[in-house]
Parts: sequence; C-alpha cells; structure tokens
Amino acid sequence: LAKTTQPISMDSYEGQEVNITCSHNNIATNDYITWYQQFPSQGPRFIIQGYKTKVTNEVASLFIPADRKSSTLSLPRVSLSDTAVYYCLVGGFTGGGNKLTFGTGTQLKVEL
Amino acid sequence: GAVVSQHPSWVICKSGTSVKIECRSLDFQATTMFWYRQFPKQSLMLMATSNEGSKATYEQGVEKDKFLINHASLTLSTLTVTSAHPEDSSFYICSARLGAREKLFFGSGTQLSVL
Repeated sequence: LAKTTQPISMDSYEGQEVNITCSHNNIATNDYITWYQQFPSQGPRFIIQGYKTKVTNEVASLFIPADRKSSTLSLPRVSLSDTAVYYCLVGGFTGGGNKLTFGTGTQLKVEL
Repeated sequence: GAVVSQHPSWVICKSGTSVKIECRSLDFQATTMFWYRQFPKQSLMLMATSNEGSKATYEQGVEKDKFLINHASLTLSTLTVTSAHPEDSSFYICSARLGAREKLFFGSGTQLSVL
C-alpha cells in the first residue's frame, strides 16, 4: 500500500487559492489518487480522483506530475465553508482484498 | 452521485449491551464495504473489510468477536459492537466501493457513546 504524506495543517483566507500537496513515493502502476474532505462528525466526502496529469471538476483541480510520486489538490477561491480536513488516498483495484488507508490528513482553516 | 446511508447517527448505550450499526448503499451494489473507527482529532482507522457473502477481513488488533460484521446482501453491511464498554466509544464510519477505481463513498457516521 502506498503511504501518503501531507502537511498537518494549512491556513488561508477567503477568496484565495489553496494548494495541498501529498507525497506518495511508492505509488504503484495501477494506483489512482483520490482526495476526500471531512467535516467534524461527518463521513468523508469524495472530492476528486485522478491517475495522471490534470483533472478538474466543479469544486477542485488535481495536478499529478509525470512520475506520479506526488499530487496537488487545488481549491480555487476558498470560503469559510471549506474549513475541513483533506485526505489524500492512493490505491488501485487488485482483484479483491484491496483497501485504502487514511493518512493524517491536512486540516485546512479558512479565515475572513 | 452514489449515496451510502448509515444508521443510527448516534447511539448511547449502557456498558455490556450490544449495538448494531447499518450501512446501506442506496443506488448501487457494493460487493465490498469498509468499516472505520475515528477518535477525536485523529484520522480514520480501518477496522475491517466486509465482503458480500463471505467473512469479513479484520485489521490487525481488531477483535472479530467483539466487532461482528455481516454483509448479507449487495447493499447492506452491519457492524455489531458486542458487550460494549466505555473504551468502545468512538465515531464509526462505513464506506462502499463503487467501481474498480477505488472510489469510496462514505456514510455519515455513527457516534457511539457507552456509559
């Protein structure tokens, strides 16, 4: 299982772009990179998933360099409601028995 | 998107009693579901992998006789905390995997408080 490393916390202000980087040096060929957001006392919520290069959806972008040993979640123009813990997970389907483990996550705090 | 329903949202019970938590995938079939445990200000810790029609796979250190998992259908997995004790008080979260890309969808979690 690929281990992930993220900053423990980040601070930002409303309207700014926030980039959270995750390191996953031993990512396997069939692994995807998925980011989740979690608010207190709630289950994590899927944000975005990618395999390589760049992926964008209505809430975020995910940048993955060619070596795939890291990835960056980009949140454009954050608001107070984006204050949450963000988790980077790496894993791929291996035909059964596969599982994803959570790292420490990044606590993002957005202020006015 | 895919929806995973988890009930109850919170439960308070007396020490020694058993508590059942349900996890349902509402609009998709999930052959594999996962159960996590989370303490305050900590990350999610995987407890077990629940496979439809077969025995669950427990992580090291998780007592299978205490945390009973049943995955009798493609849309329902249950976690029963047997003979609960105060140290079992925690936030329990289930998830279901959609498709082959390890895209997980999570329930809203169950806060268990054992008195």
